[in-house]
Amino acid sequence: GNSVTQMEGPVTLSEEAFLTINCTYTATGYPSLFWYVQYPGEGLQLLLKATKADDKGSNKGFEATYRKETTSFHLEKGSVQVSDSAVYFCALTATSGTYKYIFGTGTRLKVLA
Amino acid sequence: EPEVTQTPSHQVTQMGQEVILRCVPISNHLYFYWYRQILGQKVEFLVSFYNNEISEKSEIFDDQFSVERPDGSNFTLKIRSTKLEDSAMYFCASSAPPDTQYFGPGTRLTVL
Repeated sequence: GNSVTQMEGPVTLSEEAFLTINCTYTATGYPSLFWYVQYPGEGLQLLLKATKADDKGSNKGFEATYRKETTSFHLEKGSVQVSDSAVYFCALTATSGTYKYIFGTGTRLKVLA
Repeated sequence: EPEVTQTPSHQVTQMGQEVILRCVPISNHLYFYWYRQILGQKVEFLVSFYNNEISEKSEIFDDQFSVERPDGSNFTLKIRSTKLEDSAMYFCASSAPPDTQYFGPGTRLTVL
């Protein structure tokens, strides 16, 4: 079945450091891939998405590229800020059927000033 | 910008009681979902709803759970007899097919 594997957290970085959060997936067909962010005490907000191989999603300085050959969708940001401290979830959805999301376990990011 | 809303934000109930969690999806969306997140764990799919019927449900969604779209705007999740292990954050989501799901802020359910 479909699944998403994320790197274990927490990840602790200093402000302006480079961020990578790894995400790999197993899926039949060609899923759409997403990163969602959950700030403390809040719900899930879409950060970025990619719907086909080699697509790059980007938003607020974050980027992720849909790599079919490595079944990966790693999240990157060149210079993190304290305000980026949150839990980041990688997710996929099939492109047919009910389009339910399969989420990774989430990676907690803490950015120190 | 349209958004998904959920009420209440926090519900405390006694074990064995019925609870109804409410959601107002984005108005032109056609697919509706419930997910839950037990504290510190991953977000898990519960059920999807389309065209006034359940289109898929997970193993978690047993006979104690039901969903309904009682009118043109609300989407509800009912738990008939709550258990301690039902304590979680419940998220409603909606989408216009087959695109991105938009999530509500969640309802934190605490079962005592």
